[in-house]
Amino acid sequence: GAGVSQSPRYKVAKRGQDVALRCDPISGHVSLFWYQQALGQGPEFLTYFQNEAQLDKSGLPSDRFFAERPEGSVSTLKIQRTQQEDSAVYLCASSRRGGAYEQYFGPGTRLTVT
Amino acid sequence: AQKVTQAQTEISVVEKEDVTLDCVYETRDTTYYLFWYKQPPSGELVFLIRRNSFDEQNEISGRYSWNFQKSTSSFNFTITASQVVDSAVYFCALSEAHASKIIFGSGTRLSIRP
Repeated sequence: GAGVSQSPRYKVAKRGQDVALRCDPISGHVSLFWYQQALGQGPEFLTYFQNEAQLDKSGLPSDRFFAERPEGSVSTLKIQRTQQEDSAVYLCASSRRGGAYEQYFGPGTRLTVT
Repeated sequence: AQKVTQAQTEISVVEKEDVTLDCVYETRDTTYYLFWYKQPPSGELVFLIRRNSFDEQNEISGRYSWNFQKSTSSFNFTITASQVVDSAVYFCALSEAHASKIIFGSGTRLSIRP
């Protein structure tokens, strides 16, 4: 596709459920990023992949959060035992190179934990 | 530590007015990159510009212009002859050369009234 796509666009989970959020980056983009955006705030970095290697996961808020990109393309962000504070928009971005290059964002997945 | 401050939470102007969005950043690195992104009501972040720390030349793109002042650690964004379609949340952001993640400010919500 032409841009970054994410699915689902909206997810409602009951507290304690596990969720999986998917990101399809722009074809050929080496780098993939996950960000969390709370209401009224700027995106906050969660984790970064270069190809299939997870090079930085310093932003993951707890060990309930896990991300993978096994074949260096599609990525999945998994949240286990969701809590209300996990409610946010989860944004995926891709970049054609590693390093501080422009990142192109997907539409996000809005997660609501009830 | 790196930080981006957007002191203006909300700005409202009448169409055709010029408007400047302020951005102040903090970093210990001598090599870094600055960005502006636009987030319209649809929610998808749109890349506007990327500048590196060695290039202080101002940039103009149509009605948009950016003023990078290293001496004051500022990277301000001006929209000339604003239009209703410019209404969005605008984020200033920073990335240090050794890291790929982007640190975002809290955003400025810009409303253009007809």
